[in-house]
Formats: sequence, C-alpha cells, structure tokens
Amino acid sequence: AQSVTQLGSHVSVSEGALVLLRCNYSSSVPPYLFWYVQYPNQGLQLLLKYTTGATLVKGINGFEAEFKKSETSFHLTKPSAHMSDAAEYFCAVSESDSWGKLQFGAGTQVVVTP
Amino acid sequence: GAVVSQHPSRVICKSGTSVKIECRSLDFQATTMFWYRQFPKQSLMLMATSNEGSKATYEQGVEKDKFLINHASLTLSTLTVTSAHPEDSSFYICSARDFGQTNQPQHFGDGTRLSIL
Repeated sequence: AQSVTQLGSHVSVSEGALVLLRCNYSSSVPPYLFWYVQYPNQGLQLLLKYTTGATLVKGINGFEAEFKKSETSFHLTKPSAHMSDAAEYFCAVSESDSWGKLQFGAGTQVVVTP
Repeated sequence: GAVVSQHPSRVICKSGTSVKIECRSLDFQATTMFWYRQFPKQSLMLMATSNEGSKATYEQGVEKDKFLINHASLTLSTLTVTSAHPEDSSFYICSARDFGQTNQPQHFGDGTRLSIL
C-alpha cells in the first residue's frame, strides 16, 4: 500500500520569496514520485517526476524537488515565487510495478502576495 | 507534447439524466486510462482504471453500475454517469498513459465539471 502526506493545506508566500511544499510518502516498493500543479477548473499539469537516478530533479517553471529515501520525503521548492505560481499543488506516488496508478496527497494551496 | 482531450468541459443537467464524458488521447495510443473524481478543495480520488478491450477495474466503494466505463479504442475512453443525482455533482478528470512509453507519467485532461440539479 502507498500513501502521501502533504504538510500544510495552505501556504502563503511573498513574491520573490522561497516556496517550500512538503511531501512525505510511504510505499512498500521503490516509489515513483510526482508533483502536479492544478489551476482553477483545469486538469493537472506535471511539474516534475522522480523515477530512478539523480535524486534532485528539476522541473518546469523553476521548480525542483529532492528525493530523500531516508526521510521518505519529496519536498518541492522554488527559489523565488512569482504571482503565476498561485495554484493548487499535488504530490503523488506510484509504485513502480503498479502500472501507473497514482495516489495523491491532499494538496497544498499556494497564495502569492505582492 | 502529449495531449489528452476531455469533453465536455461542463455539464448541467436534471436529476435522473445519464451523462457521458469522453477522454481522448490526441497524439498517442493509450492502453490504459484512469478516471478520477475531485470534490471542491479536495484531492483526486481514483475511481477506476480503464483498459482497452477489457473491463474496467473499479476502486473499492465505486459503483460500477453507476459509473459505466468503456474503452473501445486505443485513443478513447468514456465514463457514463447513469441516472445522475445531485450527490454525483463533482469534477471528473481523466488521464492516460502512452502505450509506447514505459515508466512515463500520466497525462491529464482538463476535467469535466458536472452539476446535477
């Protein structure tokens, strides 16, 4: 069984400040990990993913995340927030042998203030 | 890049009506598609996995006779909400995996907002 916990349902950051969204997972096999962004009334857009290899992964829009097996974490960061980063962010886990079924976290709403 | 088209984007209908939602992969073949449901300010909950040419696999607690899934081709899966009632109002999102790309993420449609009056 797999699960995802996102700490903080709402995060408010100032424009230009660091964005940090936390994600912890549990998985009985090596996980594949994903971060998705959702804008209002839209589907999900992939920001980045970790499958194997380098544990620091870079994604679109300046986001990156680091897979830390010892901490079972996959936190998402962006050095400098932009107003367009305001959205809902979902962390997801897929067990590598489960044909792609995703388990999503509860989501974190990011608000960017001027 | 890969695109998944979902139609319609919004449906408003009376209670008792059956509603069909289409999910198409536009530039790749998808042997597997997924249907999710999302309540306001909540996460996505997987409803079922749609497999081309075979019966869908439903998650626990999802009524298969209520949510009919058909995946007749490698580019199209449909979800039919039968005899819809107000409690079925929700945001439904499909996703698809590229048949030719192993270990690649799902591509999501833009969702269908279903409102039952």
